[in-house]
Amino acid sequence: DTAVSQTPKYLVTQMGNDKSIKCEQNLGHDTMYWYKQDSKKFLKIMFSYNNKELIINETVPNRFSPKSPDKAHLNLHINSLELGDSAVYFCASSQETAANYGYTFGSGTRLTVV
Amino acid sequence: GENVEQHPSTLSVQEGDSAVIKCTYSDSASNYFPWYKQELGKRPQLIIDIRSNVGEKKDQRIAVTLNKTAKHFSLHITETQPEDSAVYFCAATNQAGTALIFGKGTTLSVSS
Repeated sequence: DTAVSQTPKYLVTQMGNDKSIKCEQNLGHDTMYWYKQDSKKFLKIMFSYNNKELIINETVPNRFSPKSPDKAHLNLHINSLELGDSAVYFCASSQETAANYGYTFGSGTRLTVV
Repeated sequence: GENVEQHPSTLSVQEGDSAVIKCTYSDSASNYFPWYKQELGKRPQLIIDIRSNVGEKKDQRIAVTLNKTAKHFSLHITETQPEDSAVYFCAATNQAGTALIFGKGTTLSVSS
C-alpha cells in the first residue's frame, strides 16, 4: 500500500485550462501539505491542512484552491493555468500540526503547461 | 521571514571520501531539523533528523550536528558511494511549528 498517493503522476495541459491534482494518505496523519518544486528544485510550501482545517496559506495566486474533504485527502485545483505553473507538485503528510516528525511525501505530479 | 540557507549548491566527491553539507536557519524558535534525499525523478525521503535538545545524531554512515547558538546544522556522509548521488535538502520548522522550511538543496555527485 502506498502511504501517500497522488494522481495523476503527469499532467500536460494548455494555458487557460483548469485542472485538479488529488492526494490521499493512509497513515492516519492529521496534517497534509502541498509543496511546489520548481525547475531549480526549490521546495516551497503552498498550503497546509490539519483535520480539514486550513492552517497555512502562503502567498499563492488565488487561482490555486485546496480542498480537504476529510483528513486523509487533500486536493489541489488550479484555474486558468499559466506557463509559470509548470512544476512538480508534492503532497505530504505528517503526524500532528507541528511537523516535528518529518513528512512523508507523495510521488509528485509533474505539471507541464503548454 | 523564515529562511534556511544551504551550502554548497553542488558537491562532487570521489567514492570513499566524506561529504559535508551545511545549513543555517533564521528562526530561533525552530526545534526540528530533518534532512531529505531526493533521487532523480523520485520523491524526497527522510534520511535523518535531529531535535533541538540534541547536539549530534548518527546513523551508520550519516551524521547530523546541530549548533543552536549559531543556528547551524550540518549533514556528514562518510565513505561515500555512487548510490549516495542525489539532491539533499535540509529543513527547519517554521516559527509556529506548523510546517517545514526547506533549503535550496545540494546536488551531490559521487564518482567511482
